[in-house]
Formats: sequence, structure tokens, C-alpha cells
Amino acid sequence: DAGVTQSPTHLIKTRGQQVTLRCSPISGHKSVSWYQQVLGQGPQFIFQYYEKEERGRGNFPDRFSARQFPNYSSELNVNALLLGDSALYLCASSPKRVYNSPLHFGNGTRLTVT
Amino acid sequence: QQQVKQSPQSLIVQKGGISIINCAYENTAFDYFPWYQQFPGKGPALLIAIRPDVSEKKEGRFTISFNKSAKQFSLHIMDSQPGDSATYFCAASMREGGSEKLVFGKGTKLTVNP
Repeated sequence: DAGVTQSPTHLIKTRGQQVTLRCSPISGHKSVSWYQQVLGQGPQFIFQYYEKEERGRGNFPDRFSARQFPNYSSELNVNALLLGDSALYLCASSPKRVYNSPLHFGNGTRLTVT
Repeated sequence: QQQVKQSPQSLIVQKGGISIINCAYENTAFDYFPWYQQFPGKGPALLIAIRPDVSEKKEGRFTISFNKSAKQFSLHIMDSQPGDSATYFCAASMREGGSEKLVFGKGTKLTVNP
């Protein structure tokens, strides 16, 4: 079975631009979460979506937004990019809205903002 | 109060030795404590997890010890192998509103020398 897939794998953008990152969860998984991992740090929670609705949001500015589609795939959008947005963006899926169910992470999108 | 503090930042162990990574937390709302293993260029992968009503959990060479009163937990890797060389993250899960989020430690880079 395919794991969580993310695209693109790498991306270079300029300050002030906008970026869209994409995620396909494991087949049958309805919950998608997004995490930001800055180099040398642990992942930090950005959003959780379940059944196409936002269920939780981390401490990130409104420049960050996301959505989930009927097929449970998801997009993360970041507007007005800053140098500090350079990071590995991880998508994770879980089977359903069951607390403490294991998160399955993709390999991430490496975003570099110059 | 939502931090998870992890130590050491890096660890070098000889093949066959025991690797020990420690984590501490403050927020008693955390109710699930997973450990993730991350290889370069890959997303984190769940290694083992524990709930606070259990003091120890063992899976193969990996053991979590949990001290609820001290709000500390640790990962022990027995008979460490060069293939265990990776970055390890402890995490703590909490429910917030209608979502569940993981709070990660900053990671421990483990090197196992042959």
C-alpha cells in the first residue's frame, strides 16, 4: 500500500510569493495533519483536518491556510512568504478521528525561501 | 507549558551498547507519548508509544519507561546497531478543542559506531 505522498519534494520560492503544497493520505485515512519542521528542530503542529473540516490550528499566522478535499487529500497554502518559512513541511494521516491513533507521516516538502 | 524537553541533543554509542534518551513535560493534559524515528530525507516514523497508565512498554529492542509523578519518560534502545543511527523525537499528544495535536521534543541525533 502506498504511504502518505507529498508533492513537490523540493521547492524554492522568493520572499513575498505564495506556495501550495499537496498531500495524499493513505487510502482509507480521513484525517490529515500538517506540521512544520525547521532544520534541527522537532515538527510543529500547523493544522488538522477531518472530514473536510478544520479541527485544530497551531500557533501560526493567518498567512497559513489549508483545506481538505472530498477524496481526503489536502493542500497547505502559505502567502507572503518570509525567510523564516523555510522548512520541511510534513503531512500526516490517520485512519479516523480516534484520539491517540498513530500518525503516518509523508517524507515532506522541503521549502526554501530566498 | 506545552513544551516537551528532550535530552541529550546528540548521542554516540558503540554497537551493542544501550542508548538512552530522556524527555520531560509539564502539561498534565498530555495523554499519549509516542517516539518517532527519522532518517535523513524521510518523514518521522512511529517507533513505539505509551499511555500514562502504563509504566513500561517493550517492543523488541526498544523500551519506553514512563514516570507519571515525575512527568518524565525515556526511550531505551538495547543492543544498539549502526542501522539505528537516526534522529529520535519524543512527543506528547493532547486534545485541544476538537483536534488532537502532537508536541515534539527537539530531537536526539543518535550515532551508533560499528
